[in-house]
Amino acid sequence: IAGITQAPTSQILAAGRRMTLRCTQDMRHNAMYWYRQDLGLGLRLIHYSNTAGTTGKGEVPDGYSVSRANTDDFPLTLASAVPSQTSVYFCASSELAGEYNEQFFGPGTRLTVL
Amino acid sequence: GQNIDQPTEMTATEGAIVQINCTYQTSGFNGLFWYQQHAGEAPTFLSYNVLDGLEEKGRFSSFLSRSKGYSYLLLKELQMKDSASYLCAAGDSNYQLIWGAGTKLIIKP
Repeated sequence: IAGITQAPTSQILAAGRRMTLRCTQDMRHNAMYWYRQDLGLGLRLIHYSNTAGTTGKGEVPDGYSVSRANTDDFPLTLASAVPSQTSVYFCASSELAGEYNEQFFGPGTRLTVL
Repeated sequence: GQNIDQPTEMTATEGAIVQINCTYQTSGFNGLFWYQQHAGEAPTFLSYNVLDGLEEKGRFSSFLSRSKGYSYLLLKELQMKDSASYLCAAGDSNYQLIWGAGTKLIIKP
């Protein structure tokens, strides 16, 4: 593994189903982030984690949950998917949370909720 | 509120120079980032400014004016591979990044 990986690459999901998007980094970065990217809008922060064992809510957290049991993994769960959650989801990491937090992005997961 | 404004789309000619502007309003300020994003790919880091002035990195330069809440990305000697979206992001008081919607740059031969 080099950098950040995300799985699956894409997924079509029925409304009401539960879904977990996986994110793993091998850079030993402390901070990790989940964003969604929708056409015409900037990246919007869903949840973040400044260090293993801690998580925080971003701009659009409703309907999503995260956990950070270790440094490398930061899964995002949709408990009961709705069509408005159709989006491209990017996981990112940075060495530290705080000033100059250059973020490195995974390749993204394209999710369609029908 | 927090807001980042940048043009939706710009067109330029191969070999020319283009300037992409960004204005920002954030609660607190902790740096201005520019990222490049090719269609269907992840954003990749281009530049970071926290002090006023110009930062030059090869064909790309980035400028910041904190008093005006303004930044620009300057791309010189444009190449076809520079066709991409350019994302402006400002760090707020919690060190979270507030992102603009991106400027799609189209390069014509």
